Amino acid sequence: SAVISQKPSRDICQRGTSLTIQCQVDSQVTMMFWYRQQPGQSLTLIATANQGSEATYESGFVIDKFPISRPNLTFSTLTVSNMSPEDSSIYLCSVDDDNTGELFFGEGSRLTVL
Amino acid sequence: RKEVEQDPGPFNVPEGATVAFNCTYSNSASQSFFWYRQDCRKEPKLLMSVYSSGNEDGRFTAQLNRASQYISLLIRDSKLSDSATYLCVVMMNTGFQKLVFGTGTRLLVSP
Repeated sequence: SAVISQKPSRDICQRGTSLTIQCQVDSQVTMMFWYRQQPGQSLTLIATANQGSEATYESGFVIDKFPISRPNLTFSTLTVSNMSPEDSSIYLCSVDDDNTGELFFGEGSRLTVL
Repeated sequence: RKEVEQDPGPFNVPEGATVAFNCTYSNSASQSFFWYRQDCRKEPKLLMSVYSSGNEDGRFTAQLNRASQYISLLIRDSKLSDSATYLCVVMMNTGFQKLVFGTGTRLLVSP
């Protein structure tokens, strides 16, 4: 299993500002995933972050809005840029077990945009 | 049609009851299936994988029906601590592997 730490755990932000969420894993992993879970909705994959290359974004998500860094094999950041109230959501960092495919999640970052 | 579809519930059951959730998926080429549990304001955690032959883990039984493209989760002898949202997760093979989450089924077990 993997232990994943995310911060901030929650934040309240003003419209138009940006927030960077950090994700730290206790072991080296090839891929890290960023998900969004809006109220009453399923988890939606934003992007996959590989160390040493640009993140791969899912349909509907773009790098300008959600820039991602992956400087090493244990750390990643997701920035939510130029926030609007529609960005209010829980953002979750995740890694998978190469053998079983099980996903391990951080505790999530609950973002409220006013 | 949604890629993974679940009844959002809530399912309200008394302690000791047996409850079953179904989940349908759209991609017949899907390879792997999981049930995750998410407690209120917590991150999802793997409850169990779903194998083709069906599998059981204590009070929990998961089954897969490939012909009808659905998976099920059966919980016997419900406990208060089973109250949570149960997420159906399917690994889709659309040229590359991608995990798709259902919206979850909420279970409330009452005394």
